Amino acid sequence: AQSVTQLDSQVPVFEEAPVELRCNYSSSVSVYLFWYVQYPNQGLQLLLKYLSGSTLVKGINGFEAEFNKSQTSFHLRKPSVHISDTAEYFCAVIEYNTDKLIFGTGTRLQVFP
Amino acid sequence: DAGVIQSPRHEVTEMGQEVTLRCKPISGHDYLFWYRQTMMRGLELLIYFNNNVPIDDSGMPEDRFSAKMPNASFSTLKIQPSEPRDSAVYFCASRSLGSGANVLTFGAGSRLTVL
Repeated sequence: AQSVTQLDSQVPVFEEAPVELRCNYSSSVSVYLFWYVQYPNQGLQLLLKYLSGSTLVKGINGFEAEFNKSQTSFHLRKPSVHISDTAEYFCAVIEYNTDKLIFGTGTRLQVFP
Repeated sequence: DAGVIQSPRHEVTEMGQEVTLRCKPISGHDYLFWYRQTMMRGLELLIYFNNNVPIDDSGMPEDRFSAKMPNASFSTLKIQPSEPRDSAVYFCASRSLGSGANVLTFGAGSRLTVL
């Protein structure tokens, strides 16, 4: 069964600094990969997804992620964060030909002025 | 489209009471998922439906939990009797297989507090 590991539970960063949120997955088959964002007291919103093709995926709000099959990673990056990026970020994986989307434990990004 | 609609947004109840959470998926979506979010366990998949039929309920914690989908536009998650450890945010999500992207759209969640 697939699993997702987000090593950093919290990432503090100053405004306009770059940020990387790490995600590693484990699966014996091919997978689709996702990043979702959760703002306080809200549901989850899709940031970006990797289905196939180019390993560099661009999403909303200036975020991007790179799929690295050899390292089974899908790290999320943004070159310059804003205060409004403060939120919880979840990496998720679904195996081909299955329906179950499995989430990591989340990383809380805190952007300081 | 109004998105995935969940009600109530907040529920406070006493231990032993029955709790019913409701979800209206996006029109045309043929998959519906129920997740639970807690600090200790993160986001857990409880159960999901395809075309109103429960496909996998292996995540349902115990017999006190039940879920139904009587039609394509409505689903309920029921807890009877409720216990303090059921306190969590419950999310409903829906997906269209036709989109080919396995992308779930989430509701805003129902925050349950059991005293």
